Amino acid sequence: DQQVKQNSPSLSVQEGRISILNCDYTNSMFDYFLWYKKYPAEGPTFLISISSIKDKNEDGRFTVFLNKSAKHLSLHIVPSQPGDSAVYFCAASGPTGTASKLTFGTGTRLQVTL
Amino acid sequence: DTGVSQDPRHKITKRGQNVTFRCDPISEHNRLYWYRQTLGQGPEFLTYFQNEAQLEKSRLLSDRFSAERPKGSFSTLEIQRTEQGDSAMYLCASSLVSGSGTDTQYFGPGTRLTVL
Repeated sequence: DQQVKQNSPSLSVQEGRISILNCDYTNSMFDYFLWYKKYPAEGPTFLISISSIKDKNEDGRFTVFLNKSAKHLSLHIVPSQPGDSAVYFCAASGPTGTASKLTFGTGTRLQVTL
Repeated sequence: DTGVSQDPRHKITKRGQNVTFRCDPISEHNRLYWYRQTLGQGPEFLTYFQNEAQLEKSRLLSDRFSAERPKGSFSTLEIQRTEQGDSAMYLCASSLVSGSGTDTQYFGPGTRLTVL
């Protein structure tokens, strides 16, 4: 039972354009969502998170949007840079205060081309 | 470097041998997690500690797996009688629960296990 889904295994975007990575979840108890970036042979690196009390969180070039009614979140990277090329994982946890383990999607490989 | 560290980075072993991995969390973090990642998948939760107490274990953690966190500092993950299906990247993460209760986990570089 895949509770967190990333339906696009890969995405290619030109440098300077916007990258949009999508994630869907099924468990309504999830209330905290995170995006991680992973390079080969390294551990995931935390990028940005959002709590279910918000619908948007921004940090520099990265913005995460949460649509609770649709159980959908997205990560926007603007402008995309070649160093952003990596695998991006969406993760979820909750309910806050009782369940903190992360449930991950299968990842989206982003390639930023020159 | 004040991040999460894991040792060894790579381990090759023969089926049936025992292996032990170590994780050193970020020093002020009170929670420590173990995950396993196989090719093409996201990390899967194995177990976690708050200080020295092991609070949750996944069904993935068979009786051949054991984890400890003595004194609430570093942690070890031991796999006994390894099987080829244990080949994976083993990831450790640590966190400090915020005032709002949210828990942002920071990962180490992982230990790549290959069972021949």
